[in-house]
Amino acid sequence: AQTVTQSQPEMSVQEAETVTLSCTYDTSENNYYLFWYKQPPSRQMILVIRQEAYKQQNATENRFSVNFQKAAKSFSLKISDSQLGDTAMYFCAFMKHVSAGNQFYFGTGTSLTVIP
Amino acid sequence: EPEVTQTPSHQVTQMGQEVILRCVPISNHLYFYWYRQILGQKVEFLVSFYNNEISEKSEIFDDQFSVERPDGSNFTLKIRSTKLEDSAMYFCASREDRGGVRGYTFGSGTRLTVV
Repeated sequence: AQTVTQSQPEMSVQEAETVTLSCTYDTSENNYYLFWYKQPPSRQMILVIRQEAYKQQNATENRFSVNFQKAAKSFSLKISDSQLGDTAMYFCAFMKHVSAGNQFYFGTGTSLTVIP
Repeated sequence: EPEVTQTPSHQVTQMGQEVILRCVPISNHLYFYWYRQILGQKVEFLVSFYNNEISEKSEIFDDQFSVERPDGSNFTLKIRSTKLEDSAMYFCASREDRGGVRGYTFGSGTRLTVV
Protein backbone atom coordinates (compact mmCIF):
# COMPACT_ATOMS: atom_id res chain seq x y z
CA ALA A 1 0.00 0.00 0.00
CA GLN A 2 1.08 3.55 -0.63
CA THR A 3 1.10 6.13 2.15
CA VAL A 4 1.82 9.84 2.03
CA THR A 5 2.76 11.76 5.17
CA GLN A 6 2.72 15.49 5.67
CA SER A 7 4.04 16.18 9.15
CA GLN A 8 3.29 19.91 9.25
CA PRO A 9 -0.45 20.53 9.74
CA GLU A 10 0.01 24.31 9.70
CA MET A 11 2.69 26.73 8.59
CA SER A 12 3.00 30.45 8.13
CA VAL A 13 5.39 32.65 6.21
CA GLN A 14 5.91 36.34 5.76
CA GLU A 15 5.04 37.76 2.39
CA ALA A 16 8.04 37.68 0.00
CA GLU A 17 9.82 35.09 2.10
CA THR A 18 10.53 31.46 1.25
CA VAL A 19 8.83 28.47 2.83
CA THR A 20 9.30 24.72 2.47
CA LEU A 21 6.54 22.17 2.97
CA SER A 22 7.55 18.61 3.79
CA CYS A 23 6.22 15.36 2.38
CA THR A 24 7.39 11.80 2.73
CA TYR A 25 5.90 8.72 1.18
CA ASP A 26 6.20 4.98 1.34
CA THR A 27 6.00 2.68 -1.65
CA SER A 28 7.55 -0.42 -3.10
CA GLU A 29 7.09 0.90 -6.62
CA ASN A 30 10.09 2.05 -8.64
CA ASN A 31 8.26 4.17 -11.19
CA TYR A 32 5.70 6.63 -9.95
CA TYR A 33 4.64 10.27 -9.97
CA LEU A 34 4.48 12.85 -7.22
CA PHE A 35 2.35 15.96 -7.13
CA TRP A 36 1.61 18.99 -5.05
CA TYR A 37 -1.95 20.30 -5.18
CA LYS A 38 -3.17 23.59 -3.77
CA GLN A 39 -6.63 23.96 -2.30
CA PRO A 40 -7.60 27.59 -1.63
CA PRO A 41 -10.69 28.50 0.43
CA SER A 42 -12.81 27.91 -2.67
CA ARG A 43 -11.82 24.22 -2.14
CA GLN A 44 -10.94 23.67 -5.78
CA MET A 45 -7.96 21.35 -6.30
CA ILE A 46 -5.28 23.09 -8.34
CA LEU A 47 -2.15 21.36 -9.60
CA VAL A 48 0.98 23.19 -8.48
CA ILE A 49 3.79 20.95 -9.65
CA ARG A 50 4.53 17.33 -10.57
CA GLN A 51 7.61 15.12 -10.63
CA GLU A 52 8.29 11.85 -12.41
CA ALA A 53 10.27 9.49 -10.20
CA TYR A 54 12.57 8.43 -13.03
CA LYS A 55 13.76 12.01 -13.49
CA GLN A 56 16.64 13.06 -11.28
CA GLN A 57 16.18 16.75 -12.00
CA ASN A 58 13.90 18.54 -9.59
CA ALA A 59 10.78 20.04 -11.14
CA THR A 60 10.34 23.82 -11.15
CA GLU A 61 7.31 25.96 -11.97
CA ASN A 62 8.02 29.67 -11.57
CA ARG A 63 8.16 30.35 -7.80
CA PHE A 64 7.49 26.70 -6.95
CA SER A 65 10.17 24.03 -6.88
CA VAL A 66 10.59 20.61 -5.33
CA ASN A 67 13.39 18.77 -3.62
CA PHE A 68 12.91 15.16 -4.65
CA GLN A 69 15.02 12.66 -2.74
CA LYS A 70 14.07 9.25 -4.11
CA ALA A 71 16.22 7.18 -1.77
CA ALA A 72 14.84 9.01 1.24
CA LYS A 73 11.29 9.00 -0.24
CA SER A 74 11.02 12.69 0.37
CA PHE A 75 9.29 15.28 -1.81
CA SER A 76 9.29 18.78 -0.34
CA LEU A 77 7.80 21.89 -1.93
CA LYS A 78 9.60 25.22 -1.81
CA ILE A 79 7.65 28.40 -2.41
CA SER A 80 9.82 31.41 -3.10
CA ASP A 81 8.73 35.05 -2.85
CA SER A 82 5.51 34.01 -1.08
CA GLN A 83 2.40 35.92 -2.07
CA LEU A 84 -0.88 36.42 -0.25
CA GLY A 85 -2.59 34.32 -2.90
CA ASP A 86 -0.47 31.36 -1.87
CA THR A 87 -2.53 31.05 1.30
CA ALA A 88 -4.18 27.65 0.94
CA MET A 89 -4.13 24.02 1.94
CA TYR A 90 -1.37 22.12 0.18
CA PHE A 91 -1.65 18.40 -0.48
CA CYS A 92 1.17 16.12 -1.48
CA ALA A 93 0.04 13.20 -3.63
CA PHE A 94 1.43 9.97 -5.04
CA MET A 95 0.39 8.08 -8.14
CA LYS A 96 1.65 4.71 -9.27
CA HIS A 97 3.12 4.59 -12.73
CA VAL A 98 0.66 2.10 -14.12
CA SER A 99 -2.47 0.74 -12.60
CA ALA A 100 -5.97 0.21 -13.86
CA GLY A 101 -7.29 3.22 -12.03
CA ASN A 102 -4.19 5.37 -11.54
CA GLN A 103 -5.61 6.85 -8.38
CA PHE A 104 -4.01 9.49 -6.22
CA TYR A 105 -2.95 8.82 -2.67
CA PHE A 106 -3.09 12.10 -0.80
CA GLY A 107 -1.42 13.29 2.37
CA THR A 108 -3.38 14.99 5.12
CA GLY A 109 -2.35 18.45 3.95
CA THR A 110 -0.49 21.47 5.25
CA SER A 111 -2.38 24.69 5.82
CA LEU A 112 -0.16 27.57 4.71
CA THR A 113 -0.86 31.15 5.69
CA VAL A 114 1.05 34.00 4.08
CA ILE A 115 1.25 36.94 6.44
CA PRO A 116 1.30 40.45 4.97
CA GLU B 1 -8.23 26.03 -20.72
CA PRO B 2 -10.62 23.03 -20.67
CA GLU B 3 -12.44 22.47 -17.41
CA VAL B 4 -14.20 19.69 -15.57
CA THR B 5 -17.63 21.02 -14.64
CA GLN B 6 -19.55 19.82 -11.59
CA THR B 7 -23.14 20.56 -10.70
CA PRO B 8 -24.58 21.53 -8.35
CA SER B 9 -21.93 23.38 -6.38
CA HIS B 10 -23.82 22.76 -3.16
CA GLN B 11 -26.60 20.28 -2.42
CA VAL B 12 -28.50 19.76 0.78
CA THR B 13 -30.45 16.55 1.19
CA GLN B 14 -32.30 14.72 3.92
CA MET B 15 -30.88 11.56 5.37
CA GLY B 16 -32.15 8.53 3.48
CA GLN B 17 -32.73 10.40 0.24
CA GLU B 18 -31.03 9.60 -3.05
CA VAL B 19 -28.69 12.15 -4.57
CA ILE B 20 -27.02 12.34 -7.96
CA LEU B 21 -23.90 14.42 -8.38
CA ARG B 22 -23.12 15.41 -11.92
CA CYS B 23 -19.87 15.98 -13.73
CA VAL B 24 -18.95 16.89 -17.28
CA PRO B 25 -15.36 15.75 -17.88
CA ILE B 26 -13.07 17.25 -20.48
CA SER B 27 -14.25 16.03 -23.85
CA ASN B 28 -11.21 14.05 -25.02
CA HIS B 29 -10.48 12.51 -21.64
CA LEU B 30 -10.88 8.78 -21.20
CA TYR B 31 -10.50 8.14 -17.48
CA PHE B 32 -12.91 9.45 -14.89
CA TYR B 33 -12.77 9.57 -11.11
CA TRP B 34 -14.67 10.52 -8.02
CA TYR B 35 -12.95 11.60 -4.83
CA ARG B 36 -14.37 12.66 -1.48
CA GLN B 37 -13.11 15.09 1.13
CA ILE B 38 -14.80 15.16 4.50
CA LEU B 39 -14.36 18.60 6.07
CA GLY B 40 -10.92 18.96 7.60
CA GLN B 41 -9.69 15.62 6.31
CA LYS B 42 -7.68 14.44 3.35
CA VAL B 43 -8.99 13.77 -0.11
CA GLU B 44 -9.94 10.11 -0.54
CA PHE B 45 -10.33 8.05 -3.67
CA LEU B 46 -13.77 6.59 -4.33
CA VAL B 47 -13.81 5.11 -7.81
CA SER B 48 -12.24 5.18 -11.24
CA PHE B 49 -14.09 4.54 -14.49
CA TYR B 50 -12.80 3.65 -17.93
CA ASN B 51 -14.41 2.21 -21.04
CA ASN B 52 -17.84 2.30 -19.45
CA GLU B 53 -16.93 0.26 -16.44
CA ILE B 54 -15.41 0.64 -13.00
CA SER B 55 -11.63 0.14 -13.01
CA GLU B 56 -11.01 0.41 -9.29
CA LYS B 57 -12.99 1.31 -6.23
CA SER B 58 -12.12 1.93 -2.63
CA GLU B 59 -13.62 0.48 0.53
CA ILE B 60 -15.69 3.64 0.84
CA PHE B 61 -17.47 2.89 -2.42
CA ASP B 62 -19.98 0.38 -1.09
CA ASP B 63 -23.34 -0.75 -2.47
CA GLN B 64 -24.87 2.64 -1.70
CA PHE B 65 -22.73 4.22 -4.39
CA SER B 66 -22.90 3.85 -8.15
CA VAL B 67 -21.45 5.64 -11.14
CA GLU B 68 -22.69 6.03 -14.65
CA ARG B 69 -21.78 7.70 -17.90
CA PRO B 70 -25.27 7.82 -19.37
CA ASP B 71 -24.78 9.84 -22.52
CA GLY B 72 -21.08 10.04 -23.39
CA SER B 73 -20.60 13.43 -21.83
CA ASN B 74 -21.93 13.33 -18.26
CA PHE B 75 -20.38 11.26 -15.48
CA THR B 76 -22.59 10.83 -12.44
CA LEU B 77 -22.19 9.62 -8.88
CA LYS B 78 -25.34 8.33 -7.21
CA ILE B 79 -25.75 7.78 -3.50
CA ARG B 80 -28.88 5.69 -2.98
CA SER B 81 -29.70 6.36 0.65
CA THR B 82 -27.62 9.15 2.09
CA LYS B 83 -26.22 9.04 5.61
CA LEU B 84 -25.02 11.90 7.76
CA GLU B 85 -21.45 10.73 7.27
CA ASP B 86 -21.79 11.18 3.50
CA SER B 87 -21.58 14.93 4.07
CA ALA B 88 -18.42 15.95 2.25
CA MET B 89 -16.99 17.70 -0.75
CA TYR B 90 -17.13 15.44 -3.79
CA PHE B 91 -14.62 16.01 -6.56
CA CYS B 92 -14.87 14.68 -10.07
CA ALA B 93 -11.69 14.39 -12.11
CA SER B 94 -10.77 13.28 -15.60
CA ARG B 95 -7.56 12.35 -17.32
CA GLU B 96 -6.54 11.93 -20.92
CA ASP B 97 -3.60 9.57 -20.97
CA ARG B 98 -2.99 6.33 -19.17
CA GLY B 99 0.54 6.98 -18.01
CA GLY B 100 -0.37 9.62 -15.49
CA VAL B 101 2.25 12.14 -16.58
CA ARG B 102 -0.25 14.92 -17.07
CA GLY B 103 -2.07 14.09 -13.89
CA TYR B 104 -5.65 14.91 -13.45
CA THR B 105 -7.95 17.83 -13.96
CA PHE B 106 -10.24 18.24 -11.00
CA GLY B 107 -13.62 19.86 -11.02
CA SER B 108 -14.47 22.55 -8.51
CA GLY B 109 -16.43 20.10 -6.37
CA THR B 110 -19.94 19.59 -5.06
CA ARG B 111 -20.48 20.22 -1.39
CA LEU B 112 -23.00 17.66 -0.16
CA THR B 113 -24.71 18.31 3.15
CA VAL B 114 -26.88 15.55 4.59
CA VAL B 115 -29.27 16.72 7.31
